Amino acid sequence: DQQVKQNSPSLSVQEGRISILNCDYTNSMFDYFLWYKKYPAEGPTFLISISSIKDKNEDGRFTVFLNKSAKHLSLHIVPSQPGDSAVYFCAAFNAGGTSYGKLTFGQGTILTVHP
Amino acid sequence: GAVVSQHPSRVICKSGTSVKIECRSLDFQATTMFWYRQFPKQSLMLMATSNEGSKATYEQGVEKDKFLINHASLTLSTLTVTSAHPEDSSFYICSARRLLGDTQYFGPGTRLTVL
Repeated sequence: DQQVKQNSPSLSVQEGRISILNCDYTNSMFDYFLWYKKYPAEGPTFLISISSIKDKNEDGRFTVFLNKSAKHLSLHIVPSQPGDSAVYFCAAFNAGGTSYGKLTFGQGTILTVHP
Repeated sequence: GAVVSQHPSRVICKSGTSVKIECRSLDFQATTMFWYRQFPKQSLMLMATSNEGSKATYEQGVEKDKFLINHASLTLSTLTVTSAHPEDSSFYICSARRLLGDTQYFGPGTRLTVL
């Protein structure tokens, strides 16, 4: 049972344009969400997070939007740069649960930004 | 920033042997460490959660006798894959967390190949 889903395995964007990566979840107990960036043969790097009390969090070129009713979140990267090319994972957990910090990851989306 | 290292980065072993992977938090004390594995083109799957000085908590379906986890200090956790078989070949990633509420910092991962 895939509780966190990234339905787009890949996304190709032109440099300077907006990249929108999507993520859906099914577990209504999740109340904290994170986006990670990962290069091949490396561990994930934290990008940005959002708690369920917010619907938007912004950090530089990265903005995460959360739609709780739709159980959907998205990561916007504006403007996209070639260095953003990587695999992006969304992850979720229940901050109030006994297994605090146990992350459930989506399958990842490969983002390619073309010069 | 918080840095997590893993050693070795890559290991090839024969079937039936045991392999130990180390995860170290270099500049902080990690009260909790997590072990994940990732198969090609799949998401990171949590294997177990370990708190310093106590037994690890394994996820459903993960054999605790096969994947031995030791979290002997606040800066070191080890994962030992006992009697490794080709199906154990995977990318193993650890993460460390300083305090409850803190983000997880990931190691660079270890590529295990069992022949």
